[in-house]
Amino acid sequence: AQSVTQLDSQVPVFEEAPVELRCNYSSSVSVYLFWYVQYPNQGLQLLLKYLSGSTLVKGINGFEAEFNKSQTSFHLRKPSVHISDTAEYFCAVSDISGNEKLTFGTGTRLTIIP
Amino acid sequence: KAGVTQTPRYLIKTRGQQVTLSCSPISGHRSVSWYQQTPGQGLQFLFEYFSETQRNKGNFPGRFSGRQFSNSRSEMNVSTLELGDSALYLCASSVDRAYQETQYFGPGTRLLVL
Repeated sequence: AQSVTQLDSQVPVFEEAPVELRCNYSSSVSVYLFWYVQYPNQGLQLLLKYLSGSTLVKGINGFEAEFNKSQTSFHLRKPSVHISDTAEYFCAVSDISGNEKLTFGTGTRLTIIP
Repeated sequence: KAGVTQTPRYLIKTRGQQVTLSCSPISGHRSVSWYQQTPGQGLQFLFEYFSETQRNKGNFPGRFSGRQFSNSRSEMNVSTLELGDSALYLCASSVDRAYQETQYFGPGTRLLVL
């Protein structure tokens, strides 16, 4: 079984400042890692995913994340945020054994301050 | 290509009633997963269907059930509703049962149980 920990439930950031949203996972097997974003009153949208290869993954809307196996982390970063980035961000894992189930973290609410 | 659609978008029921939610996946997608999202428990996996067969199931009571039709459309049913079933129910589809496939989420059905 896997688990995901998003330590920060809320992150306020000034507009145009950089941001890092933290995600740590626990699993007894190798995993795939995902970041999803949920805008108010909408479903989830995939930002980026790590399956294999380069540990630095680039996604949509200028976001990127780095897989660190030794620290079991997959932190999400953006060098300069915009008002439109205000949303809830979810980190998720799935094991590579073929189980389709995604295990989600509790989410981080990103608030951009003008 | 149309996205994942879910109907109805909003639903109000009373305790003891039953409810059926519908999900139409993206054309060509054969895997459909269901998730429950609540403020207290976050996003939790309900079940996943592929080619009309349930392949994975989360830790929910038997009151929660689902099915998938030959055109990949899926329904989930909750019988004997409880107040705690109030939630946003999200449906996600993917092309195949490959675990690294991206899941595309619908906007959700918001269920309120009174």
